[in-house]
Formats: sequence, structure tokens, C-alpha cells
Amino acid sequence: AQKITQTQPGMFVQEKEAVTLDCTYDTSDQSYGLFWYKQPSSGEMIFLIYQGSYDEQNATEGRYSLNFQKARKSANLVISASQLGDSAMYFCAMREGNYNTNAGKSTFGDGTTLTVKP
Amino acid sequence: GAVVSQHPSRVICKSGTSVKIECRSLDFQATTMFWYRQFPKQSLMLMATSNEGSKATYEQGVEKDKFLINHASLTLSTLTVTSAHPEDSSFYICSATGFYNSPLHFGNGTRLTVT
Repeated sequence: AQKITQTQPGMFVQEKEAVTLDCTYDTSDQSYGLFWYKQPSSGEMIFLIYQGSYDEQNATEGRYSLNFQKARKSANLVISASQLGDSAMYFCAMREGNYNTNAGKSTFGDGTTLTVKP
Repeated sequence: GAVVSQHPSRVICKSGTSVKIECRSLDFQATTMFWYRQFPKQSLMLMATSNEGSKATYEQGVEKDKFLINHASLTLSTLTVTSAHPEDSSFYICSATGFYNSPLHFGNGTRLTVT
């Protein structure tokens, strides 16, 4: 069974500084996708970044980068130059990889609440 | 990007009544949709996988007779909470998906309060 672990229930960061949110995963699949989502207090889920299990380069999307260490089964999210609007709950998720179906379920971690201080 | 519309965003109902929540994919065909439930400051709990034209697949512990899911078309899935009770009060959120390496596209969620 797949499992996502986020060990930081809450994190604080000073505005304009960088912060790393931890995520480790466990799966027996060779093919999988790793995702990070942001959930502000309003509730909507916002996709941030994706890393495929076969991708050799770490994914980057603007201020977001994913530190992917496959051997360690970790997929940490790095947010550079934090902004007040980054305050939200962040979820790491993994999706089963299956070329025969697009119905792979996603497994979510418990989330990390990030607070950016001015 | 892909848009998923979920309605209503908030609903208050009396105990014993039923509530229907709609999830529409606006600009793509979603053969599969997922329904999640989320308690405050907790993770998303998958309730069921909704497949167009077939029965939904429910996760263990989710009452299929209480949470009725219908996926009648490639763009619409509905979740009906039947005979709602206060313990059903929660945040329900749907998502639609493409291939495994595509992100989930989420609706904005429905906050259900049963009085």
C-alpha cells in the first residue's frame, strides 16, 4: 500500500526566506507521480508541482522546486522567497502509475501548515 | 488549465434530509472523478472513485447507501448524502483527472452543515 508521510504539522518562515517542507513516501510501484498541492484557508486545492518517478531532474515551477531523492523516497518541497500569500496548508501526494488506466488513486499526506511571518 | 466546478459551495440542511453535490468538468472529459471528505486541518480522505457509465468504487468504511454517487456523463458526477445527520457535516471536495502524471483538478469544495 502507498503511504505519504509529512512529519511537520506546522512550519514558520520569515517573509522572503526559503522554506523546505518534508515529504517521504512508500510504494512498491516503479512508476508513480509525486505532487504538491496548496490549500489556503478558503479551501480550494491548488496544484503546485509534479515529479515523475522516472524524472532525473528535480522539478521546478517558479518559486517552487521539488527536491527528489528517489533512493531515500523523499520529495521535499522548497519554496524560495516566501510571501505572505504562501501561508496555507500544503499536501504532498502520490499517484499510482499505470499506463493502462487514468484512474490511479492519489494518496495524500497529513499536510503541513505553513505560516509566513512579516 | 482544466477547470472543475463544484456546487453548491455551502449548504445547510436539516437532519434526515438529502443533499446533492454536483461536480462538473468544464473543459475536458473526465472519465474518472474522485470524491474526498476533509475534516478541519486534516488530510483528504478518499471516499469513492466515480467512473462514467458504471458503479462507483467505494473505499473501505464508506457507506455506499448513504453516499450515493452517480457519474452519468463525461462531465458530471454527483454525490448525494442521503438522510444526513450532524456527523455528516464536513468539507466535501471532488476532483477529476487525466493520466497518472497529470495533477488532480479539484472543485472548490462544498461545506456541508447538518443541523
